[in-house]
Amino acid sequence: DAGVIQSPRHEVTEMGQEVTLRCKPISGHDYLFWYRQTMMRGLELLIYFNNNVPIDDSGMPEDRFSAKMPNASFSTLKIQPSEPRDSAVYFCASSLGGGSPLHFGNGTRLTVT
Amino acid sequence: KNEVEQSPQNLTAQEGEFITINCSYSVGISALHWLQQHPGGGIVSLFMLSSGKKKHGRLIATINIQEKHSSLHITASHPRDSAVYICAVPMNYGGSQGNLIFGKGTKLSVKP
Repeated sequence: DAGVIQSPRHEVTEMGQEVTLRCKPISGHDYLFWYRQTMMRGLELLIYFNNNVPIDDSGMPEDRFSAKMPNASFSTLKIQPSEPRDSAVYFCASSLGGGSPLHFGNGTRLTVT
Repeated sequence: KNEVEQSPQNLTAQEGEFITINCSYSVGISALHWLQQHPGGGIVSLFMLSSGKKKHGRLIATINIQEKHSSLHITASHPRDSAVYICAVPMNYGGSQGNLIFGKGTKLSVKP
């Protein structure tokens, strides 16, 4: 398996623009997680899905953030409108659940100017 | 809500040294994760453990549930072990394995 695939690897955008980050989990994994990493706050959970259903989105910072999982092989994290404080590395991870380890994508480094 | 403390924040060692990184948490948990973040940014899950000890190559992870403490040991350290090591625990007892709170990480640098 190719592992968790995220795109793009880098995104540079201007404040106010819409940003869409994409994630393809490992086939067969029931859980998908979106995390954000910043120097100040480290890694934080934003939202996670189980069988394509959002279970906990309490980590999503504001209404400007939204996430979807239309099917078992694809998820998006959207920021609209983007702000400079959204600059961070966004990681997607998936797992089988039930005590199995997390598998992380390579992350998307977002810079909002 | 759980809280996680890691120590030390930074660690420099000579090749061959025995390394210990510590992690303490505040609320009882079902499992604890140790992650490795490479200098290039990628994150790899090293261990997920709920009791006792696990070993993988030169890496050993231990956990003491009563004391709410875990350690990650690296034997015969090598420059390629240089990375940030992150401890993570579920946000709440019984919480989903991926609904995690992360430590700030320990940046390890192993000199040849």
